[in-house]
Amino acid sequence: AQSVSQHNHHVILSEAASLELGCNYSYGGTVNLFWYVQYPGQHLQLLLKYFSGDPLVKGIKGFEAEFIKSKFSFNLRKPSVQWSDTAEYFCAVTPSYGGSSNTGKLIFGQGTTLQVKP
Amino acid sequence: DSGVTQTPKHLITATGQRVTLRCSPRSGDLSVYWYQQSLDQGLQFLIQYYNGEERAKGNILERFSAQQFPDLHSELNLSSLELGDSALYFCASSPRTGGTGELFFGEGSRLTVL
Repeated sequence: AQSVSQHNHHVILSEAASLELGCNYSYGGTVNLFWYVQYPGQHLQLLLKYFSGDPLVKGIKGFEAEFIKSKFSFNLRKPSVQWSDTAEYFCAVTPSYGGSSNTGKLIFGQGTTLQVKP
Repeated sequence: DSGVTQTPKHLITATGQRVTLRCSPRSGDLSVYWYQQSLDQGLQFLIQYYNGEERAKGNILERFSAQQFPDLHSELNLSSLELGDSALYFCASSPRTGGTGELFFGEGSRLTVL
């Protein structure tokens, strides 16, 4: 079965520190990968996504992620975090094969809570 | 604003009761997904509907059921509620089944079972 593992459950950083959140997935085929963010009291919003092509993907708010196929990883990075980045971050995966077999449901990791201290 | 609307935002009820959560997808989206978010289980996929038909099933209890209506809104019915059903229930929509997999989420319905 597909699964997603996020290594860090709770990360505390000071403003301007660099961020890297780990994400590994378990699936034998080709996948689409996502990072979603959930700010306190809000819905999940898409940060970035990878479907194919350049494995380094840039998203909103200065976030980027690198897909390393050999490691089944899709780590999220940001060079300098801000207090407003305090949120919960979810990595998610879905098989990328097309046709009627692909329901499009996302499998999420457990989430990483990021707390940025001003 | 994602365009996905969920009601109610908050709901408090007692064990053994039944509740209905409602979701209106983004305009034009045919596919609706339900997720349950709890502290111990994280975000769990429950069920997906596409254009009125059940498309995929995840970790949905038999006490729970869902449907999608002709106008594409969806309802999640939770019955014989237990304390452990307390969670945030998210609805998400996408233009079609499959595709890119990008989902648009509502703000959730927070269910508290006392």
